[in-house]
Amino acid sequence: GAGVSQSPSNKVTEKGKDVELRCDPISGHTALYWYRQSLGQGLEFLIYFQGNSAPDKSGLPSDRFSAERTGGSVSTLTIQRTQQEDSAVYLCASSLEVRASPEQETQYFGPGTRLLVL
Amino acid sequence: AQTVTQSQPEMSVQEAETVTLSCTYDTSENNYYLFWYKQPPSRQMILVIRQEAYKQQNATENRFSVNFQKAAKSFSLKISDSQLGDTAMYFCAFMKRHPGSMLTFGGGTRLMVKP
Repeated sequence: GAGVSQSPSNKVTEKGKDVELRCDPISGHTALYWYRQSLGQGLEFLIYFQGNSAPDKSGLPSDRFSAERTGGSVSTLTIQRTQQEDSAVYLCASSLEVRASPEQETQYFGPGTRLLVL
Repeated sequence: AQTVTQSQPEMSVQEAETVTLSCTYDTSENNYYLFWYKQPPSRQMILVIRQEAYKQQNATENRFSVNFQKAAKSFSLKISDSQLGDTAMYFCAFMKRHPGSMLTFGGGTRLMVKP
């Protein structure tokens, strides 16, 4: 079946503008994760959604970052008033379930969105 | 908190030869997974292999195998019969077996397979 998809593939924006990044998880996957990959910080966890539960926002670096997941499927990561340090690749991953088998708990990644803030 | 360390920023290997990538981790957890992910220039993070901490047997997937030493907190990846398509960044990652556990990644090893 189709894997995790993300859009746009690349985004260039000006400092101070808002951006929205989209993630479409694998069909039927209930868990969805956002990570950020930057040169200085490596790969960092941002936020996690599981079904209809409240999201785990513990990795969001500032209140300029927010995310939502509509209908338990598609997720949007929004960055307000972008700064140059927000430039990074934003990766989305999904897994079938948590507290299940190893195969079902394994996270599968999308191709990422490369964000450049000028 | 967990930490994952990959001490080899870059490695190279000749095509058809064998290479081993190192990874160490630190955790007080007893129930967890370890993963190796591959990230080629296309940027897609691809799962290479998974190891469950409760299993003593080392995981294998075709040309890829791991050496999991739980007491030493070591988790190395061996690639046999290296192919040009194996050229990529390789990330070692840790995940607790708890609901909503995130992956904690090492800094990565850039592997170049030379013809």
